[in-house]
Amino acid sequence: QVHLVESGGGVVQPGRSLRLSCTASGFTFRTYVMYWVRQAPGKGLEWVTAISDDGDNKYYADSVKGRFTISRDNTKNTLYLQMNSLRVEDTAVYYCARDLSPGPLVGASHWGQGTLVTVSS
Amino acid sequence: IQLTQSPSFLSASVGDRVTITCRASQDISSSLAWYQQRSGKAPNLLIYAASSLQSGVPSRFSGSGFGTEFTLTISSLQPEDFATYYCQQLNSYPLTFGGGTKVEI
Repeated sequence: QVHLVESGGGVVQPGRSLRLSCTASGFTFRTYVMYWVRQAPGKGLEWVTAISDDGDNKYYADSVKGRFTISRDNTKNTLYLQMNSLRVEDTAVYYCARDLSPGPLVGASHWGQGTLVTVSS
Repeated sequence: IQLTQSPSFLSASVGDRVTITCRASQDISSSLAWYQQRSGKAPNLLIYAASSLQSGVPSRFSGSGFGTEFTLTISSLQPEDFATYYCQQLNSYPLTFGGGTKVEI
């Protein structure tokens, strides 16, 4: 059974950093593209970033480019999101997600429970 | 690629047929997914590749479209279907979501 468990959320001041983790189990982690998606309070879904199965290719939304870094450790079945220079508008629940199957992207079939990041002074 | 969903809010009754539209700002072939999100929960994949029903999703949900215009149809709305629905394009990065359609009683 696929499980994705996020951790690392919390309250942080603007301009500071935070690192989120997502521990995966129940599938062959190293063969899947992984995503981070966020949702600000009362707002819609926003795709944040994705990383290829081998970690060589990384993609970012314009809103986080240059501030956030996605990475993965396939030996630990763990996905990371390093968030620097945090802004109030980064406040959101952050979900990690896995695509339906290895290969071409078709949609995120498995999601974690989400971790809340609050950026506030 | 921008995705525009309509309507953003929909009021319906149990048993109604409901259609939600998602328009892409450029051709995305059939690289579109639909999600349902209930309050306080993670999204749930309903449809992928524009028209393929995800395993375990009731057959009252269906998707159609190609290119720039797509629809999600619920043939007979059930009480558990009252939620917010999102489309997502997976044709090219950055991946994007539509603004959402809230379906309420």
